[in-house]
Amino acid sequence: DTEVTQTPKHLVMGMTNKKSLKCEQHMGHRAMYWYKQKAKKPPELMFVYSYEKLSINESVPSRFSPECPNSSLLNLHLHALQPEDSALYLCASSQVSGGLETQYFGPGTRLLVL
Amino acid sequence: AQTVTQSQPEMSVQEAETVTLSCTYDTSESDYYLFWYKQPPSRQMILVIRQEAYKQQNATENRFSVNFQKAAKSFSLKISDSQLGDAAMYFCALLSGNTPLVFGKGTRLSVIA
Repeated sequence: DTEVTQTPKHLVMGMTNKKSLKCEQHMGHRAMYWYKQKAKKPPELMFVYSYEKLSINESVPSRFSPECPNSSLLNLHLHALQPEDSALYLCASSQVSGGLETQYFGPGTRLLVL
Repeated sequence: AQTVTQSQPEMSVQEAETVTLSCTYDTSESDYYLFWYKQPPSRQMILVIRQEAYKQQNATENRFSVNFQKAAKSFSLKISDSQLGDAAMYFCALLSGNTPLVFGKGTRLSVIA
């Protein structure tokens, strides 16, 4: 089973709203990732969690706040977003980070900021 | 620095025919993995095939196979007996050392009935 689930599938929010994206995997993977993807572009890495600790933050604005409550869950808290933050947000997981491990992706959350 | 180049922004193939998507990469590491991911219009990123650099044998997954030319740093994907469901954006990706996964810009594949 290589399933990563993400909720919600779609999200529309205003610039003053607070919302959260959720990602879950039950493959026993110890590394989880958030990516942002604009249309017709490759995914851009935002954050990496390894063993529930933040290991990489690719200079993401503070209006994006990741959280890893346990080894199976990864959240992305959103606050005061801008219209240019509208994108597909992908979650991925792998056995470990910093090694040659295959990443498996979830279906993504399509976010629209008005 | 690690780089991945996909020189074909768009390609098309007739249903049941064979198509090859190109990918070249650069890394100074001796140990690395290469991947092809497929992203259909539904936008889910699906792993198609992967190749370990230390393996000389080309990876194969059903109708999908790769031509891995290590010296030339080339990693092309061949899709045989193309089906309408193969229409998607295909991303080549490189994982090496301790650096994050590096993606190419993608090739959009259309399948003509």
